[in-house]
Amino acid sequence: AQSVTQPDIHITVSEGASLELRCNYSYGATPYLFWYVQSPGQGLQLLLKYFSGDTLVQGIKGFEAEFKRSQSSFNLRKPSVHWSDAAEYFCAVGGGTNAGKSTFGDGTTLTVKP
Amino acid sequence: EAGVAQSPRYKIIEKRQSVAFWCNPISGHATLYWYQQILGQGPKLLIQFQNNGVVDDSQLPKDRFSAERLKGVDSTLKIQPAKLEDSAVYLCASSLGFQGNQPQHFGDGTRLSIL
Repeated sequence: AQSVTQPDIHITVSEGASLELRCNYSYGATPYLFWYVQSPGQGLQLLLKYFSGDTLVQGIKGFEAEFKRSQSSFNLRKPSVHWSDAAEYFCAVGGGTNAGKSTFGDGTTLTVKP
Repeated sequence: EAGVAQSPRYKIIEKRQSVAFWCNPISGHATLYWYQQILGQGPKLLIQFQNNGVVDDSQLPKDRFSAERLKGVDSTLKIQPAKLEDSAVYLCASSLGFQGNQPQHFGDGTRLSIL
């Protein structure tokens, strides 16, 4: 069975500082990996995805993530955080015959200090 | 393009009552998903449709939850009777297909509170 662990429930960073959100997954084959962002009262928006190829993927809003098979990780990074990045971030894994079925982690809430 | 539309945005009911949620996916999207998101948790898939057929409903509590997607477009999710633990946000998402490289587009959800 596939699963996702996001070890950090809540992270606070100062505006302009760098950010890294951790994601560890469990999946028996090559996974499809996703990062979504959710602002209060809204649905999830896809930031980026990894299927194959280059292990460093670029997404929207200046985010990037790196797939590390040996560590079963897919951490999200941003070099300089903006106040508007404050939100909840979800990592998800999918794959197999029903690749559209994604399993989500429980999320990391990001607070940005002025 | 218009996004995924859901209604109502909020619903408050008493336990043992029934409730229904509606979802209109993005035009042309064959795959539709219903998720339950309990406070502090990530979304959990309840049911997945491909056109008007069910692909996966393994986590749908079928004794009280039902869903349909007649004509392969709009979908409704029903809970009857509701329990306190059903308090959650119910998210609908759609994608062009259920291949993993097709991104899911989410609606803003329906927040359900059970008294």
